[in-house]
Amino acid sequence: LAKTTQPISMDSYEGQEVNITCSHNNIATNDYITWYQQFPSQGPRFIIQGYKTKVTNEVASLFIPADRKSSTLSLPRVSLSDTAVYYCLVVTGSSNTGKLIFGQGTTLQVKP
Amino acid sequence: DTAVSQTPKYLVTQMGNDKSIKCEQNLGHDTMYWYKQDSKKFLKIMFSYNNKELIINETVPNRFSPKSPDKAHLNLHINSLELGDSAVYFCASSQAHRGGSYNEQFFGPGTRLTVL
Repeated sequence: LAKTTQPISMDSYEGQEVNITCSHNNIATNDYITWYQQFPSQGPRFIIQGYKTKVTNEVASLFIPADRKSSTLSLPRVSLSDTAVYYCLVVTGSSNTGKLIFGQGTTLQVKP
Repeated sequence: DTAVSQTPKYLVTQMGNDKSIKCEQNLGHDTMYWYKQDSKKFLKIMFSYNNKELIINETVPNRFSPKSPDKAHLNLHINSLELGDSAVYFCASSQAHRGGSYNEQFFGPGTRLTVL
């Protein structure tokens, strides 16, 4: 499974757009890029997944360049409640186990 | 209704004891997982069951034994607890995985285990 690298921490202010970049240089053809969010004292929660170009849902957008060696999670107009750890994962689409490997994640602190 | 539930939420016990953590999902999923999150917040998979069959068994001491009585339940039994077992344990579930697809995992609220 491809290893991911992302910043350990980021700070932002309410109302700003936050972009968290993740690098996954060894991503394979069958791999998907997936992001999870974990609030303090809760389990991780799936945010968004993509294969290439751009994916948008009600929570975030995911930008993936053509070479797929990196991806950027974009959170529009963050609020204090977006303070959480954000995990970038690469998941093998051909897997029949669903195994997820979580890295250290990016701790986002949103300030008033 | 809670999709993935775990009991207990907190568990404090002495070294050497045996304890169990229960997990139930009402999502109709075929696959369930156990993860361990240590004090440094690293989240690591321990086990996975698909339709009551063990499909992932990471390098976990054999003091840890998962039990799946049916596909809606995956319990974790831990024998002879050690200080290093202190962590937060998360249960998760998903649809069964097949080639070419990925299904998101739904996590429970976690069980904080403290071994004294």
